[in-house]
Amino acid sequence: NAGVTQTPKFQVLKTGQSMTLQCAQDMNHNSMYWYRQDPGMGLRLIYYSASEGTTDKGEVPNGYNVSRLNKREFSLRLESAAPSQTSVYFCASSERSTEAFFGQGTRLTVV
Amino acid sequence: AQSVTQLDSQVPVFEEAPVELRCNYSSSVSVYLFWYVQYPNQGLQLLLKYLSGSTLVKSINGFEAEFNKSQTSFHLRKPSVHISDTAEYFCAVSEGSSASKIIFGSGTRLSIRP
Repeated sequence: NAGVTQTPKFQVLKTGQSMTLQCAQDMNHNSMYWYRQDPGMGLRLIYYSASEGTTDKGEVPNGYNVSRLNKREFSLRLESAAPSQTSVYFCASSERSTEAFFGQGTRLTVV
Repeated sequence: AQSVTQLDSQVPVFEEAPVELRCNYSSSVSVYLFWYVQYPNQGLQLLLKYLSGSTLVKSINGFEAEFNKSQTSFHLRKPSVHISDTAEYFCAVSEGSSASKIIFGSGTRLSIRP
């Protein structure tokens, strides 16, 4: 099984550009999450989706939007990228919040 | 809302010495607790978890953590560390429902000196 797959692995954007990070899981999990990881700040939750058709804000949602396209897929969109959004982004999935399974991450640089 | 505090951002220890990484959480309801490990330039993987039952949980590579409800803590311990344990360790908490989010602490970087 692939588990959680994120694309792309690396991306460089110019300030003001938009992009969508894709995430798919093949474990039939109901819950999916987007986190960002910054040095000294751990993982901070951006948005999560407890089930297909629902999304909720996390700790740092400003500047992001999400779409739970179906049970497998959960995308994260940056409408107008800013240098403060330079980070490593992780997608994760879980069943009833009992354990999160993570993708390999997307390293995003905004210049 | 739940939150997690990891009190130490870095912990340097000598090889074969014991180590404790501290984690405290805040929640008004029953919780699930986790420790994740991130080796250099890799993703996150689960080290151990507490969902219910015995308050002492163990990993396959010698780490253990104890859920202490009165202290709202879930400290991670290992009696003798190895160079290969060099990594960043994250404590996490969820409020144990199907709609719950999983919140992470700021991480503790464990560096092992020979």
